[in-house]
Amino acid sequence: DIVMTQSPLSLPVTLGQPASISCRSSQSLVHSDGNTYLNWFQQRPGQSPRRLIYKVSNRDSGVPDRFSGSGSGTDFTLKISRVEAEDVGLYYCMQGTNWPWAFGQGTKVEIK
Amino acid sequence: QVQLVESGGGVVQPGGSLRLSCAAPGFTFSSYGIHWVRLAPGKGPEWLTFVHYDGSDQHFADSVKGRFTLSRDSSRNTLFLQMNSLRTEDTAVYYCAKDARGSLDAWGKGTTVTVSS
Repeated sequence: DIVMTQSPLSLPVTLGQPASISCRSSQSLVHSDGNTYLNWFQQRPGQSPRRLIYKVSNRDSGVPDRFSGSGSGTDFTLKISRVEAEDVGLYYCMQGTNWPWAFGQGTKVEIK
Repeated sequence: QVQLVESGGGVVQPGGSLRLSCAAPGFTFSSYGIHWVRLAPGKGPEWLTFVHYDGSDQHFADSVKGRFTLSRDSSRNTLFLQMNSLRTEDTAVYYCAKDARGSLDAWGKGTTVTVSS
């Protein structure tokens, strides 16, 4: 089974400053169809998770462009160019390439 | 906007059973696959299970294989997660989520399951 490892687990950030979260998989996430099914989700306090990014770098409709995803193979990154107060919450990466699907442990983003 | 609504959570003793429901007002289950994911306090999300829209394909996490099963009522556009032999470690908020080819593009609000004596 693929194991997803996120770092850091806690990320205090100053408003307006950038933030970066790393996600590594124990195996390549390149599917036999050529796609890489690496996703990023945000969970604000008291809310359900919502998808931000799919297939490594595709932003969902309504997601601010300060969020970006990058990476390939086994190493992926979610970047927030300028953190805003509404970005506080938990962030999870998830692979949907191989069964069983798997999430990272989560990264808690908080304001310093 | 796809809306998913979970229900059926509650408090149950270890060894007991619960049946969770996932309803989808406004869209047809028969067109989409559905996943179940749970979030336990202080832990990352755990993917549990997937069922193809026509029921032909199902996958389960090892942690629930043999204990959890899936069924659907097409007339009510509802999917069910039958959870048997529940353990304290099954305590979590359970979400159903819509499949989007290697992703989950819509989640419900979740239903809470507490396994405790």
